[in-house]
Amino acid sequence: QQQVKQSPQSLIVQKGGISIINCAYENTAFDYFPWYQQFPGKGPALLIAIRPDVSEKKEGRFTISFNKSAKQFSLHIMDSQPGDSATYFCAASMHGQNFVFGPGTRLSVLP
Amino acid sequence: DSGVTQTPKHLITATGQRVTLRCSPRSGDLSVYWYQQSLDQGLQFLIQYYNGEERAKGNILERFSAQQFPDLHSELNLSSLELGDSALYFCASSVAGGRQDTQYFGPGTRLTVL
Repeated sequence: QQQVKQSPQSLIVQKGGISIINCAYENTAFDYFPWYQQFPGKGPALLIAIRPDVSEKKEGRFTISFNKSAKQFSLHIMDSQPGDSATYFCAASMHGQNFVFGPGTRLSVLP
Repeated sequence: DSGVTQTPKHLITATGQRVTLRCSPRSGDLSVYWYQQSLDQGLQFLIQYYNGEERAKGNILERFSAQQFPDLHSELNLSSLELGDSALYFCASSVAGGRQDTQYFGPGTRLTVL
């Protein structure tokens, strides 16, 4: 119930391509869905987040698509760059508490 | 730099020992979160404090405890350490711990239990 599933585990994309990472959840009480980016040796940093009453949110090259009925959400990185190479985590929380993270996706963008 | 500081950066200790990890939140942030990141378990939420009071508890073992002090810094105490406790421990802070507050993560403390 509390789990957030994330796929793929790893992803290799050519520079300029689109990176897509998918997440799924079970608990319909979740009301906040952030994505975090983590570089080696650093803590996770908030990338973009969405509420369940919104189907899409775009910030620069990063877009979250949210499908409430399917309980799925995804991160799209347009025009992927080598500097985007990092581990990406989706997460879900209820009322700002009890954050549950997906297992992470290691993205490599080839130059 | 997120503005969240954690000490020490690295900690090596033996099984059965007790350690204390320290976190200073960003200036003005009232809420502190603790997370454990390991290769097999991913990023696990442990506990959240808001202005000195425990607000939410996640997958925190009974051997672990935390507190947030009046100056808002927080400490995570890990006792009777086991090999499986080896992990990265992150602290994060947010303004009020509200529904859509951004959590800012510190650089982490790498704990190695030998």
